[in-house]
Amino acid sequence: EVQLVESGGGLVKPGGSLRLSCAASGFTFSNAWMTWVRQAPGKGLEWVGRIKSKTHGGTIDYAAPVKGRFTISRDDSKDTLYLQMNSLKTEDTAVYYCNTENRGSFDYWGQGTLVTVSS
Amino acid sequence: QSALTQPPSASGSPGQSVTISCTGTSSDVGGYNYVSWYQQHPGKAPKLMISEVSKRPSGVPDRFSGSKSGNTASLTVSGLQAEDEADYFCSSYAGSNNYVFGTGTKVTVL
Repeated sequence: EVQLVESGGGLVKPGGSLRLSCAASGFTFSNAWMTWVRQAPGKGLEWVGRIKSKTHGGTIDYAAPVKGRFTISRDDSKDTLYLQMNSLKTEDTAVYYCNTENRGSFDYWGQGTLVTVSS
Repeated sequence: QSALTQPPSASGSPGQSVTISCTGTSSDVGGYNYVSWYQQHPGKAPKLMISEVSKRPSGVPDRFSGSKSGNTASLTVSGLQAEDEADYFCSSYAGSNNYVFGTGTKVTVL
């Protein structure tokens, strides 16, 4: 059974940093393209970024609102995906989900972790 | 990148059908067959219901179907059931290694 478990969320002040983790199991993590999607309270979904598998070059892409502030990485030896978030803004407040990406869709989702940016 | 446009709400009685639209542009919905649909119950993570415009993942009831015409994709739920009451979001590949989601539609089973 595929499982994705996010952790690392919490309350942080504007301008601060936070690192999210996503522990994966039930599939071959090293072969998977992994993404982060976020959802602000009461709002819709927003794609944050993606990291391809190393066999596909390990390319990383970001949405415009987070480019230059967020960094996606992966540790295939630990089956874990990361999201380093710097220079956080109040508009980054959201539940952050990690997902597997497969042919243009996000087929498995974690339960999400809440990040609140507030002074 | 602008969000795809969905109606805020849709409703139907049990057993009826409801269709949700998802309108984008030729740079996203109209340009690629990578449109997907997600169901989200309150407080839960989204669940993939339709991939690649019209493909149903294993375990998704065949009451759910997807289609696309030009820059608009659609999700139809036939034979509405109480458990179908949820928020539904569409998503499309938007080129340049980027994705865009829809604004979301709340489906109410009357």
